[in-house]
Amino acid sequence: AQSVSQHNHHVILSEAASLELGCNYSYGGTVNLFWYVQYPGQHLQLLLKYFSGDPLVKGIKGFEAEFIKSKFSFNLRKPSVQWSDTAEYFCAVIVNAGNMLTFGGGTRLMVKP
Amino acid sequence: EAQVTQNPRYLITVTGKKLTVTCSQNMNHEYMSWYRQDPGLGLRQIYYSMNVEVTDKGDVPEGYKVSRKEKRNFPLILESPSPNQTSLYFCASSLGGKGIGYTFGSGTRLTVV
Repeated sequence: AQSVSQHNHHVILSEAASLELGCNYSYGGTVNLFWYVQYPGQHLQLLLKYFSGDPLVKGIKGFEAEFIKSKFSFNLRKPSVQWSDTAEYFCAVIVNAGNMLTFGGGTRLMVKP
Repeated sequence: EAQVTQNPRYLITVTGKKLTVTCSQNMNHEYMSWYRQDPGLGLRQIYYSMNVEVTDKGDVPEGYKVSRKEKRNFPLILESPSPNQTSLYFCASSLGGKGIGYTFGSGTRLTVV
């Protein structure tokens, strides 16, 4: 069965610092990849997704992610974080265009003003 | 407004007392799913439904039931809740069931004492 690993459970950054959150998945076939964000007390919102084509995907709020197939990775990046980016971030995968969205354990990001 | 509505938002109950968490979507989505969110484990799928009267188990179905009698509703039923079902629950819906535009509800925080 597929799985998703997010290696950083907690990240603390100062405003304007650059962000990179790691995401690795374990599946050798076709994958659709997602990053979701959950602001405190809120539901999950889609940041960006990769289905095919350009492996560098741009999402909302200045986030981007790069799909590197050879590394089974889909890391999330942002050049300059803001205090409002404080949230929990989840990487997720669907394999073979199926129905189950499998999530990683999440990374809590705290941005200090 | 397109949305997924869950009720209640918060629920405290006692072990063994049957409860139902409702989920309704107004987007005519075929695919609906229930997840539970636990610290460090991310979101894990409980059950999903690809259409009316079509449901299947996710990763952690034990102790839960679902039904899909109408397209818009997908209630989660705990026949005999136990403390290990204390969690944050999210309902989600999608047009195609392939992770395209998953919309999540606001969550239901359940405590079983």
